Amino acid sequence: AQSVTQLGSHVSVSEGALVLLRCNYSSSVPPYLFWYVQYPNQGLQLLLKYTTGATLVKGINGFEAEFKKSETSFHLTKPSAHMSDAAEYFCAVTSSENNDMRFGAGTRLTVKP
Amino acid sequence: ETGVTQSPTHLIKTRGQQVTLRCSSQSGHNTVSWYQQALGQGPQFIFQYYREEENGRGNFPPRFSGLQFPNYSSELNVNALELDDSALYLCASSLSAGTTYEQYFGPGTRLTVT
Repeated sequence: AQSVTQLGSHVSVSEGALVLLRCNYSSSVPPYLFWYVQYPNQGLQLLLKYTTGATLVKGINGFEAEFKKSETSFHLTKPSAHMSDAAEYFCAVTSSENNDMRFGAGTRLTVKP
Repeated sequence: ETGVTQSPTHLIKTRGQQVTLRCSSQSGHNTVSWYQQALGQGPQFIFQYYREEENGRGNFPPRFSGLQFPNYSSELNVNALELDDSALYLCASSLSAGTTYEQYFGPGTRLTVT
């Protein structure tokens, strides 16, 4: 079975500061990893995904994530937070061997002016 | 290109009733997945439909059922509603079966069971 743990249900940063949202996964098969963002009263939007190949993945809106197999991690970063980044972020794991995508509980990002 | 749409936006039902939620997939997509997102939690996979057949199911009881139509739109049906069924129900479409393809999510249907 696959699972995801997001460390920190709430993260608060100042505008312009580094954003770091943590995600650790568990998978007995090669994982596909995703980060989604959800704004209030909206569906999920894909930020980036890791399938195979390059371990540093760049996504939309200046976000990136690094797949570290040895640490079973896929943390999301952005060098400089913007007020518009305030939202809920979800990490998710799946594989080519199943049809079940497992999401973490989410991290709410607050950006202070 | 039209995105994923869901109807209705909000719904209030009474315990024991039945409900049908609808989803129109993005143009060119033949796969639809349904998720339940309880308040303050991440989405949980209910099931996936690929070319009108169920193609994987999460840990949900049989009173959660679905359909996919020839135009690849889909319905989620829930019978004998329980209070714990109150949640945001998300539909996502993708180019093909499985969950490794990018999934495009609709805005969701907020179901409240009283």
